[in-house]
Amino acid sequence: AIRITQSPSSLSASTGDRVTITCRASQGISSYLAWYQQKPGKAPKLLIYAASTLQSGVPSRFSGSGSGTDFTLTISCLQSEDFATYYCQQYYSYPLTFGQGTKVEIK
Amino acid sequence: EVQLLESGGGLVQPGGSLRLSCAASGFTFSSYAMSWVRQAPGKGLEWVSGISGSGDNTYYADSVKGRFTISRDNSKKTLYLQMISLRVDDTAVYHCARGRGFGELSFDPWGQGTLVTVSS
Repeated sequence: AIRITQSPSSLSASTGDRVTITCRASQGISSYLAWYQQKPGKAPKLLIYAASTLQSGVPSRFSGSGSGTDFTLTISCLQSEDFATYYCQQYYSYPLTFGQGTKVEIK
Repeated sequence: EVQLLESGGGLVQPGGSLRLSCAASGFTFSSYAMSWVRQAPGKGLEWVSGISGSGDNTYYADSVKGRFTISRDNSKKTLYLQMISLRVDDTAVYHCARGRGFGELSFDPWGQGTLVTVSS
């Protein structure tokens, strides 16, 4: 199975900050990577697919980059509604796998 | 509006069985791959099982292989997960999720989930 290592596991930031979360795959996955946002008690929400394509309706302050084994999610100007947990997921091959998650907290 | 609604969760003893259902609406169900993803209390997301739109191809995480069976009834627009030999570490909220389509296996949308508690 492809392992996904996500970092950091948590971070503290202020509104207006630029935030970066990374995922590294244990083998090349081309651009078959998605990013999700999850708030407490809610289902995950798709933010980005194919490593860098913004899902419809997602604010443009979210962006994704990378291919192969190294990927990044960037929130350019953190808003209050962005405090949540973020997960990456590879869908290059079964079994599909997720990163461990990054909790973005208010500083 | 695309919607997924899970049901069938509950409290079950170790070694017991349970069948989860996911009712879909608002889209052509048979055209999309579907998956089950679970989240243990306070933990991250774990993909459990997936099935192609036709139902011909199924996939499982190693942790559930041989114990869980995914299936679908396209005429009823419903996805199922039959779980047997349940263990304490199967305790989680189980979400169904739709593959985004066009060969993409990112998930959108997700259902709100149904809680499965395995305990004596």
